[in-house]
Amino acid sequence: EVQLVESGGGLVQPGGSLRLSCAASGFTVSSNYMSWVRQAPGKGLEWVSVIYSGGSTYYADSVKGRFTISRDNAKNTLYLQMNSLRPEDTAVYYCARASAMSCPNGVCYPHSWGQGTLVTVSS
Amino acid sequence: DIQMTQSPSSVSASVGDRVTITCRASQGISSWLAWYQQKPGKAPKLLIYAASSLQSGVPSRFSGSGSGTDFTLTISSLQPEDFATYYCQQANSSFGGGTKVEIK
Repeated sequence: EVQLVESGGGLVQPGGSLRLSCAASGFTVSSNYMSWVRQAPGKGLEWVSVIYSGGSTYYADSVKGRFTISRDNAKNTLYLQMNSLRPEDTAVYYCARASAMSCPNGVCYPHSWGQGTLVTVSS
Repeated sequence: DIQMTQSPSSVSASVGDRVTITCRASQGISSWLAWYQQKPGKAPKLLIYAASSLQSGVPSRFSGSGSGTDFTLTISSLQPEDFATYYCQQANSSFGGGTKVEIK
């Protein structure tokens, strides 16, 4: 059974750092399109970052230069390193996966999602 | 950056109604569009990808259409479990603001 379990969220002061983890089971992280999407309390969804199976990474302008997406193949885990955190980064962070079947013509659409982890940036 | 604009922001409907939600991209995005359903406290669920392809396991009352800048999600006969918020997303990028489907 495919499962994604996020962890690492919590309360952090502005300017601080946090690393989110997304432990995967039932599939291989390195062979899939993996992304992070966040949702501020009571707000809509915001795409954050993606790492393709080939290793290419992309970021939303709002986090570029502050966040880094990566994966550990041995641990089958996706990460999001978040530095220089701001109050507006407060949100539930979801990791999501798109398998090859969900990438028609190389354009990927995540179909498996974790339950999310809450990050609160506040003094 | 391409902006995604959904309308309406909310709609009140009854069980059995036909509901249509639109999504407009600020620039052409071919058919690179997905629709998601989200219920309170839950992760989004993929309904439609590539503008009109139904994700496996999603009921056939959901359908998507459009290309370029204008897209539509249609629920042909609203069911009790369909009351939720719906989002469009340009593939690998921005989401629309969401449409909340509420009970009339």
